[in-house]
Amino acid sequence: GAVVSQHPSWVICKSGTSVKIECRSLDFQATTMFWYRQFPKQSLMLMATSNEGSKATYEQGVEKDKFLINHASLTLSTLTVTSAHPEDSSFYICSARDFQLTGELFFGEGSRLTVL
Amino acid sequence: ELKVEQNPLFLSMQEGKNYTIYCNYSTTSDRLYWYRQDPGKSLESLFVLLSNGAVKQEGRLMASLDTKARLSTLHITAAVHDLSATYFCAVVYNNNDMRFGAGTRLTVKP
Repeated sequence: GAVVSQHPSWVICKSGTSVKIECRSLDFQATTMFWYRQFPKQSLMLMATSNEGSKATYEQGVEKDKFLINHASLTLSTLTVTSAHPEDSSFYICSARDFQLTGELFFGEGSRLTVL
Repeated sequence: ELKVEQNPLFLSMQEGKNYTIYCNYSTTSDRLYWYRQDPGKSLESLFVLLSNGAVKQEGRLMASLDTKARLSTLHITAAVHDLSATYFCAVVYNNNDMRFGAGTRLTVKP
């Protein structure tokens, strides 16, 4: 199946700093990628839909100025957590749909963010 | 808005036993997925169900879909310890939006 790669796998940062997470589709083009957030022992919550070449669509309650999404190419979307605080600590997972072939959704490995 | 309800949320069972996890959803869906998640890891795709009556099996897991009842089941046969994980159903609607169930944390004990 298609591969979606996330980087970094885990990151620890100080409060007030910004952290960028990358999501790449390695062997297919993804015009749409999705960013999820997962707190411990909870389900995945969709944060935003990232569209190549246009602005992301954020879910209700997700601060767009806090979570900056850039989908600059057909294979790369980035999520930047700005001025991170401890409550932003979470597991962030991206996914991308391979529209050209099966339309199936493929998930990245996830990025664990810990804000001290 | 689509609601996806999964039950049970927690499940502890002995090896060799059978059990079924249920996934109910509230509106018409394009397709339904089952995923497995191990601690600290991302999601592993198990099944995608596209049509009413679809049944798929892989090893000790079998998934089915009843679109009229808006219900999918994940049946575990003769559970083994390696199946211990959290299982999520996820429903796609409007061709693009995906909503996840709360997850079922399965523990299989020897």
